[in-house]
Amino acid sequence: DTAVSQTPKYLVTQMGNDKSIKCEQNLGHDTMYWYKQDSKKFLKIMFSYNNKELIINETVPNRFSPKSPDKAHLNLHINSLELGDSAVYFCASSQYTDTQYFGPGTRLTVL
Amino acid sequence: AQSVTQLDSHVSVSEGTPVLLRCNYSSSYSPSLFWYVQHPNKGLQLLLKYTSAATLVKGINGFEAEFKKSETSFHLTKPSAHMSDAAEYFCVVSESVIKAAGNKLTFGGGTRVLVKP
Repeated sequence: DTAVSQTPKYLVTQMGNDKSIKCEQNLGHDTMYWYKQDSKKFLKIMFSYNNKELIINETVPNRFSPKSPDKAHLNLHINSLELGDSAVYFCASSQYTDTQYFGPGTRLTVL
Repeated sequence: AQSVTQLDSHVSVSEGTPVLLRCNYSSSYSPSLFWYVQHPNKGLQLLLKYTSAATLVKGINGFEAEFKKSETSFHLTKPSAHMSDAAEYFCVVSESVIKAAGNKLTFGGGTRVLVKP
């Protein structure tokens, strides 16, 4: 039944490691997004893909690389993790410019 | 560039009393506006959205918001707060991106609502 799902829910790792977060939506939407929520609850868009094509790429370090194998999946790979990457990462999807529906979030803690 | 300002970082109300969360926006054209709610350790849930149909928008759980273009405001209200309304609330403005393939959401800083028994 879950519309937008993310795995894992929690991720604890050491500085310098590489990790991935996966997102899947079963809403049939064409567009997916990644957002970052910092420790002060501020949310900011990172990336967006439409039918596997990158359409939004905000000022994000090159260590972050989104990958969309198909329109139902948008994964986020992070290289050489830093302390400042600790945050909650939310995936979302929409049917083009319509309402965005969010996943439950992945809490990343970098030690 | 669009922006959103939520005028109160915290709001404390007693159960059964009205709730008012204030939001001002800046956008270069007619915006789409949203209110999302985030309960502790949960994802974001859509409360309501404005897309230029009616200026008074009704949402879920008894919430409503009024779009006032002259004041560039989109304040959220509820006549009677419930304990379950304790959460973080985000006012959001949206703009379409290239080829209308998606939309870019800009979030306000959030308002934490505390409901006292």
